[in-house]
This record gives sequence, structure tokens and C-alpha cells, in this order.
Amino acid sequence: QQPVQSPQAVILREGEDAVINCSSSKALYSVHWYRQKHGEAPVFLMILLKGGEQKGHEKISASFNEKKQQSSLYLTASQLSYSGTYFCGTERVYGGSQGNLIFGKGTKLSVKP
Amino acid sequence: NAGVTQTPKFRVLKTGQSMTLLCAQDMNHEYMYWYRQDPGMGLRLIHYSVGEGTTAKGEVPDGYNVSRLKKQNFLLGLESAAPSQTSVYFCASRNTGNSYEQYFGPGTRLTVT
Repeated sequence: QQPVQSPQAVILREGEDAVINCSSSKALYSVHWYRQKHGEAPVFLMILLKGGEQKGHEKISASFNEKKQQSSLYLTASQLSYSGTYFCGTERVYGGSQGNLIFGKGTKLSVKP
Repeated sequence: NAGVTQTPKFRVLKTGQSMTLLCAQDMNHEYMYWYRQDPGMGLRLIHYSVGEGTTAKGEVPDGYNVSRLKKQNFLLGLESAAPSQTSVYFCASRNTGNSYEQYFGPGTRLTVT
């Protein structure tokens, strides 16, 4: 089942902060975050694993609440380069998913000067 | 390293025509994926492969076939294209093991008229 992302879109001024949320109704093993700029391929940002391990970006942080099956991506002191659409991809615990990700519909972030 | 490449970048088909999209990766990854991306829908998994000679269905496999004859290549075929298959197609690959990031190709924009 597709995870739900919120908000669908957000507009920021440079230097402002934003939080993007990703919520699943299923038990999760990990949550992945990707950013996609217009006309380009998605680019990996971060993985959050059950148990607290994180792998990824130096300047962007995220959290994973295992009990609620929710993840949040924190963008602080936003820069123009942060503009794009952010996707979370969820990896299930059960079902032989072979590491397959189910992606949310995305959150469009626009950073203005 | 070129990473993940896709051929062609753009294609226009008439309803009923067939075509093959080629994905190639030079990172020696075992896992490869085909996604389609439609406006407001996020990325949806069509088919995937966990190694040379293996393929499996994803979320939206109908109307598509795939083959993985060589480890570095993953082909996506449309036997009889339909307007509903107008989309942007992304290929991705990743390492084996738990929770590694996926590397995406630049995408193929397909229009079926």
C-alpha cells in the first residue's frame, strides 16, 4: 500500500525550515528518501532503518518512528538547490519484498530567493 | 563509470506498435527495476530482477514484459502500446543486501498516440 506524504506542496523562502512527513499503514523495515528535480532522475538522500541506523546526506536529517510507521524529513536553512519533489520509499518487513520500495506520491518543495 | 543509462531518451509510438526500452548499468549490481512515473502518482514498480536470468512482477506489470539475459542489462518491452502507457519510465539498480540505495537512470519519455 502506497505511503502517504504530507504536505503535497510547500513554498519556502531561502533560509526557512521545512518538514516533510511519510506515513504507512504497514509495518516497515526501512524508509528511503529521494529528491527529484524537474526533468531529472530521482537522487538518493537518506535511508532510515528499523533500529535507528541512518545512512545518507550530511545536511539533511530525518527520523523514523517505528511504532507509528512514520518518517519525517527535516530541511533546515533551506537553499535554492533544495527545490524539487521529495519522495519517500518504504520497504516492508514481511512478504519477501526483495528490497522493493513502494513510493509515496511526492511533496513538491519550492524555495524562493 | 556511466552509472545507469537508458535508451532511448524519447519515443513516440502509435497505438498497437511495439518497442523495447534498454537499461544498462556498469556498477555490477544484482538488482534492477523498471518504474513508471505519471503526474501526481509517484514512482510505480513495473517489474524487477534480482539477478541475471530472473524477473518478477511489480505493482503494475500488465502490458509489459522484461528480460535480464545479461547482468548489466534489463530490457522492458511493450508488445502492443496503448495510450495509457504514455509515461516517463525509469530504470534503477542497487546492490544486494538490506536497504541499499537505488541508482536511477535518466528516464525515457514515451508518448503513445
